[in-house]
Amino acid sequence: EVQLVESGGGLVKPGGSLRLSCAVSGFIFSSYTMNWVRQAPGKGPEWVSSISSSGDDIYYADSVKGRFTISRDNTDNSLYLLMNSLRADDTAVYYCARGMTIFGEVLGFDPWGQGTLVTVSS
Amino acid sequence: QSALTQPASVSGSPGQSITISCTGTGNNIGGDNFVSWYLQHPGKAPKLIIYDANKRPSGISNRFSGSKSGNTASLTISGLQAEDEADYYCCSYRGGDTWVFGGGTKLTVL
Repeated sequence: EVQLVESGGGLVKPGGSLRLSCAVSGFIFSSYTMNWVRQAPGKGPEWVSSISSSGDDIYYADSVKGRFTISRDNTDNSLYLLMNSLRADDTAVYYCARGMTIFGEVLGFDPWGQGTLVTVSS
Repeated sequence: QSALTQPASVSGSPGQSITISCTGTGNNIGGDNFVSWYLQHPGKAPKLIIYDANKRPSGISNRFSGSKSGNTASLTISGLQAEDEADYYCCSYRGGDTWVFGGGTKLTVL
């Protein structure tokens, strides 16, 4: 069974840092592009960042560029998101999601983890 | 404001069909870019139900179908069931290895 389990969320003050983790099982982690997607309360999802299967190619949404860093450990089947300089508008549930890949193209996100809540507040 | 525009809500009775639209621009939906749809029940993670505009992942009911024309994608749910009541989100690749979601549509089954 494919499983993605996020951890590391919590309450942090503005300007603070947090590191999210996503533990993966049930598929060959090193073969897939992985993503972080967040969802603020009552809002639609927002794609945050993606990392290629090898870790060589990394992309960020403009809203987090320069503050967030995505990484992965293919030996440990884990995905990470280091979040610095956190702001109130970063408050959201953060999901890790596997890139649905067909013939080398990522066509969507499937499946998603259960999410971890990050609250940025003083 | 989301880059993809969806109606805030739609409703239908059991057995009926409904369609949810998702309007973007030539830089996302209209650019032959990949469109996907997700459903989300309260307190749960989103779940992929349509990819590449009109394809269903394994295990997704054929009551769900997708289409795309120009800058607009659509999701149709036929034979509405109570369990279909959820939030639905569209998503499109927009180039530069970035993605954009719609604001979501709440489906109420009357």
